[in-house]
Amino acid sequence: DVQMTQSPSNLPASPGESVSINCKASKSISKYLAWYQQKPGKPNKLLIYSGSTLQSGTPSRFSGSGSGTDFTLTIRNLEPEDFGLYYCQQHNEYPPTFGSGTKLEIK
Amino acid sequence: EVQLVESGGGLEQPGSSLKLSCVVSGITFSGYNMHWVRQAPKKGLEWIALIYYDSSNKYYADSVRGRFTISRDNSKNTLYLEMNSLRSEDTAMYYCALGYKGIAFFAHWGQGTLVTVSS
Repeated sequence: DVQMTQSPSNLPASPGESVSINCKASKSISKYLAWYQQKPGKPNKLLIYSGSTLQSGTPSRFSGSGSGTDFTLTIRNLEPEDFGLYYCQQHNEYPPTFGSGTKLEIK
Repeated sequence: EVQLVESGGGLEQPGSSLKLSCVVSGITFSGYNMHWVRQAPKKGLEWIALIYYDSSNKYYADSVRGRFTISRDNSKNTLYLEMNSLRSEDTAMYYCALGYKGIAFFAHWGQGTLVTVSS
């Protein structure tokens, strides 16, 4: 199985700042990486797939980059609703595997 | 609006069985592959099962293969997960998730149903 290593595990930030979350695959997954947001009491939300394609409804302040083994989620100009948990997931092969998560918290 | 609503979770004894359901609305259910993904308390997400839109193929994670069975009823817009020989390590929130044919990411998720396995 492809192992996904996500960093940092905790990310304190303030509204208005820009942040980046990293995800590293144990082998090449081409461009096939997705990012999700998880918040209590809400369904998980697909933000980005295929590395950089924004899912319909994802604000443009979110962007994804990378290919091969190294990927980054960048959120510019943080809004209060952006704080929560973020997970990466490779969708290049089965089984799909997830990173361990990044908690984006208010500083 | 696409909605997925899981049900059937609860407190179960080790070795027992349980069947989860997921009702999907707002989309043509029969046109989409469906998945189950679980999350143990304070842990990350783990994909456990996939069923094709027409039930022609089913795939499982090693951790549940032989104990869990995924199925669907397209006439009822409902996905199922039959769980047998439950273990303490099966304790988790269980999410159903909708996926596109041939693509292994999850476009829509339910809010989950909690399964606790404990004596």
